[in-house]
Amino acid sequence: GAGVSQSPRYKVAKRGQDVALRCDPISGHVSLFWYQQALGQGPEFLTYFQNEAQLDKSGLPSDRFFAERPEGSVSTLKIQRTQQEDSAVYLCASSPLDRGKPQHFGDGTRLSIL
Amino acid sequence: QKEVEQNSGPLSVPEGAIASLNCTYSDRGSQSFFWYRQYSGKSPELIMSIYSNGDKEDGRFTAQLNKASQYVSLLIRDSQPSDSATYLCAVSRDSSYKLIFGSGTRLLVRP
Repeated sequence: GAGVSQSPRYKVAKRGQDVALRCDPISGHVSLFWYQQALGQGPEFLTYFQNEAQLDKSGLPSDRFFAERPEGSVSTLKIQRTQQEDSAVYLCASSPLDRGKPQHFGDGTRLSIL
Repeated sequence: QKEVEQNSGPLSVPEGAIASLNCTYSDRGSQSFFWYRQYSGKSPELIMSIYSNGDKEDGRFTAQLNKASQYVSLLIRDSQPSDSATYLCAVSRDSSYKLIFGSGTRLLVRP
């Protein structure tokens, strides 16, 4: 079946602009995660949804970052007033709720802030 | 100290050799352990998961877990040039919860 789909694949924005990144998880996956991956580093956790509930947002680096999943399926990560340090690849992953079912990642959105 | 530590490499092995990748973690509450492979410019791809002490084999890949030593490893037998990638170790308190990643080990398999 279809995997995790993210859009856009690439986004270039000027410093100070707002951006919105979309994630369409695997159908039926209850859990949805956002990660941020800087060049040469492993992904770092940003936030976690179980259905429409945002259960953990401890990894969001500032209040400029906001995520939602209003109907428990598609999720949007929004970054307001972007800064150069926001440049990274933003990865979305989804998984079933069942224990022992690992996360599967989308291809990511590469965000460049000029 | 990072929560998950990996040697950044590059680890260079000849084609056909065994590649050994190592990972240590600090959270003793970790219950689930994963190895992801990431090609340059691509997303992480799950290659192995392991949840209990010992070895788990899948084709050319063997994952080893030692919770007492807080150590996870990945062995790749008969390494191929197509195995050249960055290998990310990830741990979690629960397989349905957030992953904590290491920085990855870059593997280079020489033809």
